[in-house]
Amino acid sequence: EAGVTQSPRYAVLQEGQAVSFWCDPISGHDTLYWYQQPRDQGPQLLVYFRDEAVIDNSQLPSDRFSAVRPKGTNSTLKIQSAKQGDTATYLCASSFPNTGQLYFGEGSKLTVL
Amino acid sequence: SQLAEENSWALSVHEGESVTVNCSYKTSITALQWYRQKSGKGPAQLILIRSNEREKRNGRLRATLDTSSQSSSLSITATRCEDTAVYFCATKGNTGKLIFGLGTTLQVQP
Repeated sequence: EAGVTQSPRYAVLQEGQAVSFWCDPISGHDTLYWYQQPRDQGPQLLVYFRDEAVIDNSQLPSDRFSAVRPKGTNSTLKIQSAKQGDTATYLCASSFPNTGQLYFGEGSKLTVL
Repeated sequence: SQLAEENSWALSVHEGESVTVNCSYKTSITALQWYRQKSGKGPAQLILIRSNEREKRNGRLRATLDTSSQSSSLSITATRCEDTAVYFCATKGNTGKLIFGLGTTLQVQP
C-alpha cells in the first residue's frame, strides 16, 4: 500500500515569493492534516480536513497561507509572499476517522532566504 | 502553547541498554501517542495509549500513562543503533486535534 506522498521535497525561495505544496494521502483516508515543523521543534498543526471540509484552520496564518482539498482526496498548501520565518518542513498526514493514528509523508522542506 | 512536552532534550545510550523518555501534558486527554522521527523522514507512530489504559506494549517498547499526574513514559529495551531518532509524545483532547511536544533526541551509540 502506498504511503502519503508529498511534493516537492525541497523548495528554496526568496522572501516575497510564493510556493505550493501538494499531498496525496493514503487511499481511503478521509482525514488530512498539514503540520509545520520548524527545525528542532515538534510538528505544529496548521489545518485539517475531513473529506473536502476544513475542520480546523485556527493555526493557519490566513493572510498568506491557504489550503484546499477540493475533491476530498489530494490537497494543496500554498504560501504567498513567503517570509524567512516560514522556513520549516511542511508535513502532510492522513488517517481514518477516530482511529487516532496519523500516517505522515516525508515532508516538504522549505527554505526562505 | 505546547500541550505536551517531553522532559529531556537529548539522551544518549549504548546499544543494548534501556532508556526511558518522559512526557508531561497539561490538559484532559482522550489518548496519548508516541511517535518516532528519523532524520529526513516524517514521524511514525509507535504506540497509542488511551486515557483509560495504564500501559501498552509494542515489541521492545513499553508506554505508560498516569492521568493523575498527567504524565507518560516510553521505555525502550535492548536499544539498537536504528533506534536513533527524535521521539515525540502527542496528545489528543476533545477538540480532536493531535498536538505534539518538542521532542527528545535519542542517540544510540555502538
